[in-house]
Formats: sequence, C-alpha cells, structure tokens
Amino acid sequence: DVKVTQSSRYLVKRTGEKVFLECVQDMDHENMFWYRQDPGLGLRLIYFSYDVKMKEKGDIPEGYSVSREKKERFSLILESASTNQTSMYLCASTKGKAPPESYGYTFGSGTRLTVV
Amino acid sequence: GENVEQHPSTLSVQEGDSAVIKCTYSDSASNYFPWYKQELGKGPQLIIDIRSNVGEKKDQRIAVTLNKTAKHFSLHITETQPEDSAVYFCAAVTYTGGFKTIFGAGTRLFVKA
Repeated sequence: DVKVTQSSRYLVKRTGEKVFLECVQDMDHENMFWYRQDPGLGLRLIYFSYDVKMKEKGDIPEGYSVSREKKERFSLILESASTNQTSMYLCASTKGKAPPESYGYTFGSGTRLTVV
Repeated sequence: GENVEQHPSTLSVQEGDSAVIKCTYSDSASNYFPWYKQELGKGPQLIIDIRSNVGEKKDQRIAVTLNKTAKHFSLHITETQPEDSAVYFCAAVTYTGGFKTIFGAGTRLFVKA
C-alpha cells in the first residue's frame, strides 16, 4: 500500500524552539506539499516542491522553511516556533505528470503540533 | 483570486438516506475536480474525482457530477452508512504549466444510525 508517512502524530514544543516535521513518500512522486489545517480556515498551503532541491512558497510561508534533499523526503522547518503555529500539519504528494488525475493528493496522517 | 465555495458546512442525514454536497469554483480553466474524505484523526483521502470533459462519474455508492457551464460540481452519496460520517472536501485543480489546487472549506457529514 502506497504511503505518505509523517514521522510524528503529536508534538509538543516550546516557544522559540526550532522544529522539524518530516515527511516521506514511497510512491516516487514528483511533487510534495505541506499544508496546515485549522478549524474554520480549511487547508492552507505553506510550501511545495516540484523536484529535488526545489521549493516554492505557498499561501502562508512566513515563519516556515522547507528542505527537499531527496525525492522521497520533504521536511518542514519552523525556525522559531510560536504559539500561533499550533496546528495540524499535513504532508501530501502527487505524481505531478499529465493526465490531470496525477494531480490528486495522497496525504499523510498529519502531525498535531502544540507550541507552548 | 480563485476560490471554491462548498455547501453545506454541516449535513446530518439518517442512515440509508442520500447526501449531497455542492461546490462552485471560479476559475474557468480548472480541469480536474477531486473529492477527499477526512475521518477523525486522519489525513484526507481521495475518494472520487472527475475530469472537466466528463459530466458524471460513479463508484458504487458515491457519484460526482460536473456542470462546467455553471462551474458547479457535486458529490452524491446514496444509502448512507455510519462509516460515511466524516469531513468531505472538494477541490478544483488548474494546470497551467504548474498546477494549483484550491480546496473548499469542507462539509461535516453526520450519518445517524
């Protein structure tokens, strides 16, 4: 069964800490994404990557960075965690090549991050 | 900017009844429309999708319809079961070189036994 695996289901971190959220996919997908999900705000795109060592800002990149050193791994970094970054973080991947069905996401199970 | 409106935000049905969730998109260039189901404590899972050149697609108890002219698409679940209870998200995908996905805000479906 193909998967997107997020390393942690729950994390509690202190304000100011540097936080790493790891995501690995085993489907040889080209594209990887990080979203955060908050009640009433839906799914918001933080960063995405179409290729190794490539990254693009999404809609809410402030306070975050990413790293994609290998095709299967996409890491989200909170440089200095703040309480307003308490959220559910979802990693996703897509094949990324035509036809359009390649653009359907496979999501991980999510990491619920609490910053105290 | 582009957006996707999804209605209703909450839907409660009796087991065995049908459920319909509707979405409207704004970008006429959108050409792929997936639906995702998110169960409690899990990530969203793609359950059905439709391309812009198709009007309807069915997979067992779920179906999706698309009206490109009106920029509407809908999810239909027949003979609902308690395990259908979840949050459902629609999305509109536009491919122009790269691709962009816009999600609806989600519908929380309760199926009462």
